[in-house]
Amino acid sequence: DTGVSQNPRHKITKRGQNVTFRCDPISEHNRLYWYRQTLGQGPEFLTYFQNEAQLEKSRLLSDRFSAERPKGSFSTLEIQRTEQGDSAMYLCASSSQGRTEAFFGQGTRLTVV
Amino acid sequence: RKEVEQDPGPFNVPEGATVAFNCTYSNSASQSFFWYRQDCRKEPKLLMSVYSSGNEDGRFTAQLNRASQYISLLIRDSKLSDSATYLCVVNSQAGTALIFGKGTTLSVSS
Repeated sequence: DTGVSQNPRHKITKRGQNVTFRCDPISEHNRLYWYRQTLGQGPEFLTYFQNEAQLEKSRLLSDRFSAERPKGSFSTLEIQRTEQGDSAMYLCASSSQGRTEAFFGQGTRLTVV
Repeated sequence: RKEVEQDPGPFNVPEGATVAFNCTYSNSASQSFFWYRQDCRKEPKLLMSVYSSGNEDGRFTAQLNRASQYISLLIRDSKLSDSATYLCVVNSQAGTALIFGKGTTLSVSS
């Protein structure tokens, strides 16, 4: 395990469909973050887990978005009833206890058509 | 006011030039500061942490001014390979999640 792994790398979906992304953090990293990034913008914070607990959630995160980390290891991000505005790169990052710098996966690029 | 604001860019410089990026943050209680680098269509990668006393890593120097809530990154002797987007990052008000600026694009030409 050499880094954060995200699947799938690319996803094309029709508007109104549900999609789910998976993130496997670096082993033993107890903190996991989800970000969204669109062209020309920095990563936008969505939500944060410490172990299995979701400790922080952006006000920008609509109720169509839900994230889980059931066993404190991998995490899933689900988007229900996708909209064209959801098209973006979804990035996952992890960090270890006591250190705040985060390491990112390669992201899942979502295209809603 | 946005939590983290950066120079709009882009910066276009010749090889060998010195270039400086600035960043301001709104939360005076922020504790952790970083510069990340992001290449086109790649994930962000940690470039360096920023410490209160300032720190240097080869050609890169980071400075923090807590009173002005200001962070800077200086790149000396620019290389073609330095061309990328540089993201200023601080921790959030909750002291957990990292908040990113919009990024400043650097293009180094020969």
